[in-house]
Amino acid sequence: DQQVKQNSPSLSVQEGRISILNCDYTNSMFDYFLWYKKYPAEGPTFLISISSIKDKNEDGRFTVFLNKSAKHLSLHIVPSQPGDSAVYFCAASAKADYKLSFGAGTTVTVRA
Amino acid sequence: DAGITQSPRHKVTETGTPVTLRCHQTENHRYMYWYRQDPGHGLRLIHYSYGVKDTDKGEVSDGYSVSRSKTEDFLLTLESATSSQTSVYFCAIRRGGESGYTFGSGTRLTVV
Repeated sequence: DQQVKQNSPSLSVQEGRISILNCDYTNSMFDYFLWYKKYPAEGPTFLISISSIKDKNEDGRFTVFLNKSAKHLSLHIVPSQPGDSAVYFCAASAKADYKLSFGAGTTVTVRA
Repeated sequence: DAGITQSPRHKVTETGTPVTLRCHQTENHRYMYWYRQDPGHGLRLIHYSYGVKDTDKGEVSDGYSVSRSKTEDFLLTLESATSSQTSVYFCAIRRGGESGYTFGSGTRLTVV
């Protein structure tokens, strides 16, 4: 059973607007959350992370929000740029475990 | 990414044949992982290693075995390939810090 879920397979957004990607998890032991970005024919690359002791982490155009009570996190990209077109994976782990569980991914397309 | 390479990048094999994929790192990291990526499933953990000769199963380990005789090499073997093992396989290392894993560029395996 998938412990990390990304229920939106795709998202289309106009350049300059905000992209919001959502992720839900079921394992209450998860205490570290990450977002990865993947271009075709390449491996996933780290984008941003957040620990369960925080509810927000920001890095430039990227912000991740964590709602522990709802077991939900989201990634905001503002403003969206054409180079942001990629597949985004949400991932989670329990720190003592050293294993990452991934969601199915959301394909983002940024329209000019 | 510098520091982790996968070989081969592409392979076509016949059903029932053995196949070995190689992951090589140059940075002496303890933890290494094999994932497969499939549409609708994201990345799923096959096996991982926490040191030389120390390995453990992930969520989709059936039909796969691994070996790690040296810190730098982590091998994934399909003993008798099946069409359901057609996938893109990613190796990853755990560098520590906030970035979680660093992934290789992937191996696209097709079983015909």
